[in-house]
Amino acid sequence: DTGVSQDPRHKITKRGQNVTFRCDPISEHNRLYWYRQTLGQGPEFLTYFQNEAQLEKSRLLSDRFSAERPKGSFSTLEIQRTEQGDSAMYLCASSPRGGRSYNEQFFGPGTRLTVL
Amino acid sequence: AQKVTQAQTEISVVEKEDVTLDCVYETRDTTYYLFWYKQPPSGELVFLIRRNSFDEQNEISGRYSWNFQKSTSSFNFTITASQVVDSAVYFCALSGGGNAGGTSYGKLTFGQGTILTVHP
Repeated sequence: DTGVSQDPRHKITKRGQNVTFRCDPISEHNRLYWYRQTLGQGPEFLTYFQNEAQLEKSRLLSDRFSAERPKGSFSTLEIQRTEQGDSAMYLCASSPRGGRSYNEQFFGPGTRLTVL
Repeated sequence: AQKVTQAQTEISVVEKEDVTLDCVYETRDTTYYLFWYKQPPSGELVFLIRRNSFDEQNEISGRYSWNFQKSTSSFNFTITASQVVDSAVYFCALSGGGNAGGTSYGKLTFGQGTILTVHP
């Protein structure tokens, strides 16, 4: 399978704990995006990497959230001191540098976070 | 700021009916891209189509067709002869078309989605 993969698929944690999610983009896709989707809503943009550079962060990304993409390959999204309001589906997407699928984002299956 | 509005929250049809999902967008970008994604019950977003702002030609792909009208800022999606497998949440999305690395480039702004249920 050469699609976008995310790990874990589900995460249940207690309020106040830290969690980390991983996203592996499609090989050689240079752009990587994180979105958050709550029940009944469309995905909302969180942050965006081009290679290893984090080019934009949404205001939704509070200081408890941090994302990295070392070496421009996989990416991690960490949430510190989780709150119940962080419960959501976290989606990762990647898009290629060019070619026919230029600017098309390929989404992973998501990580569903439940904060108790 | 960019905005996408999908006025229909839920649509219910009987199999073989045609159904149109509406999408209206707002952007100040002169170059932009419009998308439709399908999210089946499994949860993974599936890309359906991308349209750039310079191409207003309508597109047909099998039972799917898209009507892009820049004058009304709309990008509507029609499913002809709907099937039960079409049941899903459908999202319209918009991204800016600025220079690569720019703040609006590539970032998708989604509508709230339309839940389509096709009954047998």
